[in-house]
Amino acid sequence: QKEVEQNSGPLSVPEGAIASLNCTYSDRGSQSFFWYRQYSGKSPELIMFIYSNGDKEDGRFTAQLNKASQYVSLLIRDSQPSDSATYLCAVSSEAGTALIFGKGTTLSVSS
Amino acid sequence: DTGVSQDPRHKITKRGQNVTFRCDPISEHNRLYWYRQTLGQGPEFLTYFQNEAQLEKSRLLSDRFSAERPKGSFSTLEIQRTEQGDSAMYLCASSTTGRAIMNTEAFFGQGTRLTVV
Repeated sequence: QKEVEQNSGPLSVPEGAIASLNCTYSDRGSQSFFWYRQYSGKSPELIMFIYSNGDKEDGRFTAQLNKASQYVSLLIRDSQPSDSATYLCAVSSEAGTALIFGKGTTLSVSS
Repeated sequence: DTGVSQDPRHKITKRGQNVTFRCDPISEHNRLYWYRQTLGQGPEFLTYFQNEAQLEKSRLLSDRFSAERPKGSFSTLEIQRTEQGDSAMYLCASSTTGRAIMNTEAFFGQGTRLTVV
């Protein structure tokens, strides 16, 4: 059974701080890793993807991947109240297989 | 709008009735996924198509659920004899064929919220 684990939170950070979201996965064959943001009552929105070990930066977001530790993280710099949402980690193995999602971490950014 | 489109957005049905949902993927995307999401949970995989072929189906998907993608474009998900436990958000996503071992990014539609009363 392929599993993706996330701390459900809530993770609370003040405006301007760095938010750090973590995810572990069970399938060592996993190749593709995604972070989605989901506002309450809305569908998931893709914000980052990473395929290789190391860091990938896009604006205020940095995704980090460590395949040896089976660990993916998302850093949000200069957090804004509009970043308050549930962040979903998703993992897939070979091309053409389904994305498996974690339950998500709820982030709350206070102004 | 060139994103993933789902119809209807909301559906209320009585227990025992059949319901059908439609998904129109992004036009150049050959992969289409159906997920179900309940409150406080992440999206749960239901089934996946590459073009018109249904390549993967969750073991959790009961026989009351069936999905089709007849011409490799839009897809339908039908639930027969609905039960209260079927109440959830049904999400469709699409993506393209990526490099040999990588999945490309999947984009979601706005979902169909099903309430079974």
